[in-house]
Amino acid sequence: AQKITQTQPGMFVQEKEAVTLDCTYDTSDPSYGLFWYKQPSSGEMIFLIYQGSYDQQNATEGRYSLNFQKARKSANLVISASQLGDSAMYFCAMREGLTLNYGGSQGNLIFGKGTKLSVKP
Amino acid sequence: NAGVTQTPKFQVLKTGQSMTLQCAQDMNHNSMYWYRQDPGMGLRLIYYSASEGTTDKGEVPNGYNVSRLNKREFSLRLESAAPSQTSVYFCASRFDRFGNQPQHFGDGTRLSIL
Repeated sequence: AQKITQTQPGMFVQEKEAVTLDCTYDTSDPSYGLFWYKQPSSGEMIFLIYQGSYDQQNATEGRYSLNFQKARKSANLVISASQLGDSAMYFCAMREGLTLNYGGSQGNLIFGKGTKLSVKP
Repeated sequence: NAGVTQTPKFQVLKTGQSMTLQCAQDMNHNSMYWYRQDPGMGLRLIYYSASEGTTDKGEVPNGYNVSRLNKREFSLRLESAAPSQTSVYFCASRFDRFGNQPQHFGDGTRLSIL
């Protein structure tokens, strides 16, 4: 079974509107972290936002926020006021065993297959 | 502010040739990683190194070898390249003192094997 599922291969959004990119995950570990990365057409991977399983509040970073629903095992990325520069691939990733907190396999990320977001002018 | 530097950025090989992808980071990170990215597959971990002198297999290690030369450098070697290894390769590093630290990625190496 996939540990990270991104069900939307591609999405369109109108400039200045908000968009939600879905991510569901599967883990039995109570301590885990969820990361979102952006990959523009130039190819680099850009870290956007992080949510820990024990965090009390949903993470926010500028126009990015995480809609974290622990019981549903979902960590959807919300981008407010979309801009043309937001057009990119977006990847959700998970790290398990967070409390162990050392390098090695517990530092490894498991990635979803990504969602391609296109912002229309 | 170099971060993670990968060389080369592009490479074309013939089947059976060998080559080494280089990666260096200047952030004093302990952990380093090699991924491959194929269309529709996301990123898959090839090998990782938790510290200088240690390496471990990831999800797709077959056909690859790695060397953690020192704390800064982590290289990926293809001994006998195959067309199935055509991919984009990413190196990443991480400050592993805290669990919430993200991995920082290089710009990738686009490798084509004919």
